[in-house]
Order: sequence, then structure tokens, then C-alpha cells
Amino acid sequence: DQQVKQNSPSLSVQEGRISILNCDYTNSMFDYFLWYKKYPAEGPTFLISISSIKDKNEDGRFTVFLNKSAKHLSLHIVPSQPGDSAVYFCAAINSGGSNYKLTFGKGTLLTVNP
Amino acid sequence: DAGVIQSPRHEVTEMGQEVTLRCKPISGHNSLFWYRQTMMRGLELLIYFNNNVPIDDSGMPEDRFSAKMPNASFSTLKIQPSEPRDSAVYFCASSSPSGVVTHVQETQYFGPGTRLLVL
Repeated sequence: DQQVKQNSPSLSVQEGRISILNCDYTNSMFDYFLWYKKYPAEGPTFLISISSIKDKNEDGRFTVFLNKSAKHLSLHIVPSQPGDSAVYFCAAINSGGSNYKLTFGKGTLLTVNP
Repeated sequence: DAGVIQSPRHEVTEMGQEVTLRCKPISGHNSLFWYRQTMMRGLELLIYFNNNVPIDDSGMPEDRFSAKMPNASFSTLKIQPSEPRDSAVYFCASSSPSGVVTHVQETQYFGPGTRLLVL
């Protein structure tokens, strides 16, 4: 049973526009969330994270929003650039339990068209 | 810093053969993770070492899988005997100092992965 779900396998946007990647989770014990970015033939790299005590975290063009009541988070990329084309993984953790254990979604392939 | 190094990058083998995947974590990192990525199940944690000691191997799928970390700079994941359903990309990741992910500075750093195909 997938505890972290990324229901859109792919997303295509135009350069300069906003990219919104979505993630839902089912485990209410998750209290820390991360986004990783993965290029082909490379490992995932950490992008941005958010604690459950916040509802927004911003880092440059990247903003993550958390809606705890809906068990939903999203990653916004503004403006999108062709170099942002990659697979984006959402991950969650229960810091009160196994605080090293990331539970990943299956990823969303983002394509930013020039 | 060279990052996490994995070898081989690609491995093709026949069912029943032994497969050994290797990982060199980032120097100074004392937490090491092995993950497997498949289309069906996505990225899954197989095993977690801290200070060379296996802490959580609950993700290891079967007894055919074993992992060792003889020292702070080297780890292996072995599959014996291998089966076609083991075909996947295997990632190694490291972090410091304790592997506690909620400290952003201790975020896990992933290697490039080993793509395994068992025929």
C-alpha cells in the first residue's frame, strides 16, 4: 500500500510558466516532507523540505506547500526552466519513529518545453 | 568531493548467478543506505547502516539479499542467487552524522545507481 502517492506520472509545461507537482500521503504520523529531483542516469538529489509545523517553505524558484488536513503537499516551480526537466520524487518521514526512513512516491516526470 | 560512488554502473547477469554491488560513501558520512527502484514499487529502502552497523534491514526482500559494511568507506549488497524479478536500479546513499533526515544538513546524498538486469 503506497503511503506516499504522486498521481501524475508526467507533467509538461512551457518555459517561464509555473510547474505544480502534487503529492498525497496517507500516514498521519508523517511530519517531515522532502522533494528530490532526479536526472537520467543520476541519483536523486535533495531539493527542498518542509516540516509539518509549517505550511510553506520557499527557496528561490521553488516553493513547497503543505496542507496537513488534506494530507497533501505540492511543489511549485516559478518560472520553470528547461533545466528543471527531471523526475521529481516526494518523500515523507515520521521523525518520531524511524527518523532515517524516507518513504518515497513513485515520481512525476516534468518536461519544460522551450 | 567525489560524492557517493557506486560500481558497477550497469550489470547484466543470468538467473542463478551471484551479483555484488559496491558503494563508497562520502568521506566523513557515517550513515549508509541501500535503496531499490522499480517501476512497480518505486524507491524502497532495503537496509540502513550507522557507524558500519546494520540498524534496519526490514526492507531486505529475501534471504537471497545480504549487505555488509566492513569499514566506513565501503559497503556491498549481494544477491545470491539472482532472479529476473531482482532487475531494478539499486542506489546507495550516505549522510552524516546520524542519518536523521529531519536535519536538512543531514540529508541523504545518493550515488548514481547500478542498473541490474537479470536474464
